[in-house]
Amino acid sequence: KAGVTQTPRYLIKTRGQQVTLSCSPISGHRSVSWYQQTPGQGLQFLFEYFSETQRNKGNFPGRFSGRQFSNSRSEMNVSTLELGDSALYLCASSPPPGHQFSTDTQYFGPGTRLTVL
Amino acid sequence: DAKTTQPPSMDCAEGRAANLPCNHSTISGNEYVYWYRQIHSQGPQYIIHGLKNNETNEMASLIITEDRKSSTLILPHATLRDTAVYYCIVRVANYGQNFVFGPGTRLSVLP
Repeated sequence: KAGVTQTPRYLIKTRGQQVTLSCSPISGHRSVSWYQQTPGQGLQFLFEYFSETQRNKGNFPGRFSGRQFSNSRSEMNVSTLELGDSALYLCASSPPPGHQFSTDTQYFGPGTRLTVL
Repeated sequence: DAKTTQPPSMDCAEGRAANLPCNHSTISGNEYVYWYRQIHSQGPQYIIHGLKNNETNEMASLIITEDRKSSTLILPHATLRDTAVYYCIVRVANYGQNFVFGPGTRLSVLP
């Protein structure tokens, strides 16, 4: 079974621009979570989507948004980019209730490395 | 904030067992212990999780103390490819509940 895929893997933008990152979960997984990883703050939770609805949200400004499609694929968008948004953005998917891993284990993708100049 | 305490770094000789400790003295009865690792610039990789019984899979063993206030991840025969940051996370098994990652333990496997 293919793992979580994220596109693009690398991205360079300039301040003020906006960016959209994409995540395809493991087949059959319906929950998708997004995390930001920076050297200073570590891994921080952004938001989580399930059945096209945002179910949980971390402490990030409104410039960070996301959505999920009916096929469980998800996108996150960052508007008006700032230098501090340079980070590794990670997507993770979780199996549905009733799966053998009923404790909602998250499986991570390789991430998108965003550099803001 | 992360609910776990881990040593910032550890070394292990190749071929020997790596024992990574984690303290979670405030763990609640319905919280699981999860372990992930992250090899440089890659996404975190799930290793193992448990509630109160010891667990073993093809990657590692998880030993949880009887009072559940601490645990140890054991890599039985460490290889150079096991060099990574290892994260211990406690989390309620609620769907939609995010994982809170601390700084983890940087394990260096030495030849």
